[in-house]
Amino acid sequence: KNEVEQSPQNLTAQEGEFITINCSYSVGISALHWLQQHPGGGIVSLFMLSSGKKKHGRLIATINIQEKHSSLHITASHPRDSAVYICAVHSGGGADGLTFGKGTHLIIQP
Amino acid sequence: NAGVTQTPKFQVLKTGQSMTLQCAQDMNHEYMSWYRQDPGMGLRLIHYSVGAGITDQGEVPNGYNVSRSTTEDFPLRLLSAAPSQTSVYFCASSDLTGTGDNEQFFGPGTRLTVL
Repeated sequence: KNEVEQSPQNLTAQEGEFITINCSYSVGISALHWLQQHPGGGIVSLFMLSSGKKKHGRLIATINIQEKHSSLHITASHPRDSAVYICAVHSGGGADGLTFGKGTHLIIQP
Repeated sequence: NAGVTQTPKFQVLKTGQSMTLQCAQDMNHEYMSWYRQDPGMGLRLIHYSVGAGITDQGEVPNGYNVSRSTTEDFPLRLLSAAPSQTSVYFCASSDLTGTGDNEQFFGPGTRLTVL
């Protein structure tokens, strides 16, 4: 079973700061997902990665397959970025769902 | 498209009662799954389905049943609710067989309390 670790668990930053959230996993994967969960609970898919780097607006996700590590960066952070960010991986080879990290609770203060 | 819908949003049950959490998607996705989210833990897979008539167990299936009679619907049944099943339940769907290489779409969640 893949073990997914996220760091930090909690992060409070000031508006405008550059944010980095890390995710590491123990077993090789076919894909890694970054998800966002706002207060109130809804979960939204931000990125799906199998290699390299993806960018969407102020969000950047990178993955290093050899090191089994991914990062989610937020540039020019804003209070509306406050949410729980969740890393999830699929180890491939079957339709047995995702393994999730416990999430990083991010608060951006004005 | 409505995406993935779940009903009810909130539910309180007494120990021993049964109920069905409804999940539907209008994206013609083959893969559907149920997760539970508990404080301090990541989401955990309960059951999943790769198409109508096909279901399988995930990581924490005990106490839950599922069926998939149509592509659109994937209900989760609690046969005899227990306080340990107090949780937030999410339904998700994706294209193809959910091998993880496809974007996952989540429902809004059902918050269940078992007294």
